[in-house]
Amino acid sequence: AQKVTQAQTEISVVEKEDVTLDCVYETRDTTYYLFWYKQPPSGELVFLIRRNSFDEQNEISGRYSWNFQKSTSSFNFTITASQVVDSAVYFCALSEGGGGSEKLVFGKGTKLTVNP
Amino acid sequence: DTGVSQDPRHKITKRGQNVTFRCDPISEHNRLYWYRQTLGQGPEFLTYFQNEAQLEKSRLLSDRFSAERPKGSFSTLEIQRTEQGDSAMYLCASSLERGDTEAFFGQGTRLTVV
Repeated sequence: AQKVTQAQTEISVVEKEDVTLDCVYETRDTTYYLFWYKQPPSGELVFLIRRNSFDEQNEISGRYSWNFQKSTSSFNFTITASQVVDSAVYFCALSEGGGGSEKLVFGKGTKLTVNP
Repeated sequence: DTGVSQDPRHKITKRGQNVTFRCDPISEHNRLYWYRQTLGQGPEFLTYFQNEAQLEKSRLLSDRFSAERPKGSFSTLEIQRTEQGDSAMYLCASSLERGDTEAFFGQGTRLTVV
């Protein structure tokens, strides 16, 4: 069965610190997709990244970077030089099969608070 | 088109009443999903449609829950005989059919059953 574990329930940092959010997943499929979403207080889930199981290249987008390691079933997310606007709950999610977006399995989320 | 729209944003109802939520997806998206999120948890998949066809339903979707997408555009989620355990945020998302795409979420409908 699919499972996503985000062991960090809450993280608090001071602005400009770097922070890494951990995500560990379980799946029996060889084809799957991994996602990160951000949920600000307004409630809407904002898509950040999608990565398929055959692409282990790390990705950087501005202050955001992702480290995908199949050997440890992890897909960690790092925010460099954090800002107050990064405060939100961040969810890691998994989707099996070739479709990409259907039936996402989410972790419980990590609440990030960035203090000025 | 500004994204996925859900109505109402908040709903308070008495236990035993029926409630209906509406979701309007991004116009060119033919896939539509419903999720439920309780406090402190991640969203849980309920069901999804491709056009008007309901392709999968979670075991979480008891017989008191029904979802429709009659013309392949907007969708409704109805809960009959609401229970306090139904209190949650109900999220709708939509996506294109092809595989290399992500789901876009609405702001959700927060249901409180008193």
